[in-house]
Amino acid sequence: QKEVEQNSGPLSVPEGAIASLNCTYSDRGSQSFFWYRQYSGKSPELIMSIYSNGDKEDGRFTAQLNKASQYVSLLIRDSQPSDSATYLCAVRNNDMRFGAGTRLTVKP
Amino acid sequence: DAGVTQSPTHLIKTRGQQVTLRCSPISGHKSVSWYQQVLGQGPQFIFQYYEKEERGRGNFPDRFSARQFPNYSSELNVNALLLGDSALYLCASSLGGENQPQHFGDGTRLSIL
Repeated sequence: QKEVEQNSGPLSVPEGAIASLNCTYSDRGSQSFFWYRQYSGKSPELIMSIYSNGDKEDGRFTAQLNKASQYVSLLIRDSQPSDSATYLCAVRNNDMRFGAGTRLTVKP
Repeated sequence: DAGVTQSPTHLIKTRGQQVTLRCSPISGHKSVSWYQQVLGQGPQFIFQYYEKEERGRGNFPDRFSARQFPNYSSELNVNALLLGDSALYLCASSLGGENQPQHFGDGTRLSIL
């Protein structure tokens, strides 16, 4: 079992729709959870961090954490073509572990 | 403020050679982590340093080593390069606390011929 699992995609949504990205993790001791966006050929860029169960909203982005289910998700509302990228889920318990990423395509 | 800076941006080496990659963290950040990212995969953790001490090591062979300097900059060294070492090497810095997010540099693209 991989430490951090994400659907590789591609996930395709129309412009203006809600994109839902999911992530599960295996280490129950994980304390911090992050979502990064990575455009092709670029380095990862931090979008959201979440540390406690529940929802955390920042603009069009909402991160959701359920530690009992070992599940993290990212919702992107009013998706734009500029949101097309690979989204990386990262989980930290001492070390940071990344999923392989979900490729999102937002079609105009 | 300047972000995380890495040098060089691109590097071409041959098998068996040695390479040194450099990283300068964001001003005020005391922790530096190194990652290897191959195409289609997420970054794989190599090392973390905080206040010049190694705080974590990923599942990489002893050919990989690193250090952090008093000014918090860091170097990653890879000896006896293999074709499989071809990847994007990313440096990330943070303030150092457990919950602090990491911010990435643009990376060094290493190609082994």
